[in-house]
Amino acid sequence: QIQLVQSGPELKKPGESVKISCKASGYTFTDYAMHWVKQAPGKGLKWMGWINTYTGKPTYADDFKGRFVFSLEASASTANLQISNLKNEDTATYFCARAYMDAWGQGASVTVSS
Amino acid sequence: DVVLTQTPPTLSATIGQSVSISCRSSQSLLHSNGNTYLNWLLQRPGQPPQLLIYLVSRLESGVPNRFSGSGSGTDFTLKISGVEAEDLGVYYCVQSTHAPLTFGSGTKLEIK
Repeated sequence: QIQLVQSGPELKKPGESVKISCKASGYTFTDYAMHWVKQAPGKGLKWMGWINTYTGKPTYADDFKGRFVFSLEASASTANLQISNLKNEDTATYFCARAYMDAWGQGASVTVSS
Repeated sequence: DVVLTQTPPTLSATIGQSVSISCRSSQSLLHSNGNTYLNWLLQRPGQPPQLLIYLVSRLESGVPNRFSGSGSGTDFTLKISGVEAEDLGVYYCVQSTHAPLTFGSGTKLEIK
């Protein structure tokens, strides 16, 4: 069956970087784009952008331009999210979701604290 | 950006009760290709969201048929006909007709 499995929780200090992975299985990875969604503690869902898994072209929402990078390891059916120069407000759970939002990763928790 | 306004923000229901959640858009969600890209998601406590309804009214595979979606243009409704205990959580509408994709603020369903 279709599965998106994300990497584990991360505890980072301000200014550090983090890379979150999202491994897909059960379908042809390059047939469906991948979204990234942020959920701060106790808050709603915020769309970060998406990546075309066929061409590798990323599209970022305005609030996520600059420190956020979407990338692929297509041979491994994996999408990655890298956040650099971490800030306290990056503390959140980050979800990957397949193109039509019909499959979601379990979420990856990132905590930024000095 | 398209703003999706969900009401009510919280909803308390007894088992078997029917409830409705409204999602109003700041602009029409009818795409030039004739589709309306308005979906409904449920996020149970401690879980990732799951897709319930897509394209306004199409039931996602495996989702119980007590869930139904309706609406057009800027006004959309999710109805649960006979709430069950497993339906508790936060419901979100989400649109992808217009970039950027946006989510509603959520409606929390509590079971009395």
